[in-house]
Amino acid sequence: RKEVEQDPGPFNVPEGATVAFNCTYSNSASQSFFWYRQDCRKEPKLLMSVYSSGNEDGRFTAQLNRASQYISLLIRDSKLSDSATYLCVVNTNAGKSTFGDGTTLTVKP
Amino acid sequence: NAGVTQTPKFRILKIGQSMTLQCTQDMNHNYMYWYRQDPGMGLKLIYYSVGAGITDKGEVPNGYNVSRSTTEDFPLRLELAAPSQTSVYFCASSSAGAHYEQYFGPGTRLTVT
Repeated sequence: RKEVEQDPGPFNVPEGATVAFNCTYSNSASQSFFWYRQDCRKEPKLLMSVYSSGNEDGRFTAQLNRASQYISLLIRDSKLSDSATYLCVVNTNAGKSTFGDGTTLTVKP
Repeated sequence: NAGVTQTPKFRILKIGQSMTLQCTQDMNHNYMYWYRQDPGMGLKLIYYSVGAGITDKGEVPNGYNVSRSTTEDFPLRLELAAPSQTSVYFCASSSAGAHYEQYFGPGTRLTVT
């Protein structure tokens, strides 16, 4: 079993749709959680950190459930510019990072 | 404001050749990382460093070596290149590791034939 598993996708949605991505992790010692965005053939960039209390940044909401070892990302009112691959990242306290394989989102007009 | 820079951007190697991928950051970050990304896959950690003089293996270290003699530089050495090492290599840095954002370089696209 992979340490970090994401919905395989791809997700193809119309503009304005709401879409949710899920991610599970197996290491209960994991300390920090993130969603990164990666555009085609580019480097990943931080989208948002994920906190136990949940956090929101505009149209994006991230949730963490430590008991179930589960992370989610919700995108509301999808825009064409949201088309990208979304990577779930889990860090241990020692600084080691584990990336999921990513979920690809295509938003269509 | 350079951030994380990587050289070269592209490289083609023959099987058995060696090369060093360069990575430099100007943000005074203690933590640095090397990842590889195969097509359609996520990033896999090769090596990481929590400070100058300290390195540790990640998930896929075989066939690679690293050193960290300064805070700024974290070169990745490929010895005896193999076709399985064809990939995109990303270097990243972070100010304090686990709880902080990683900043990535633009990547090096390596083909081994």
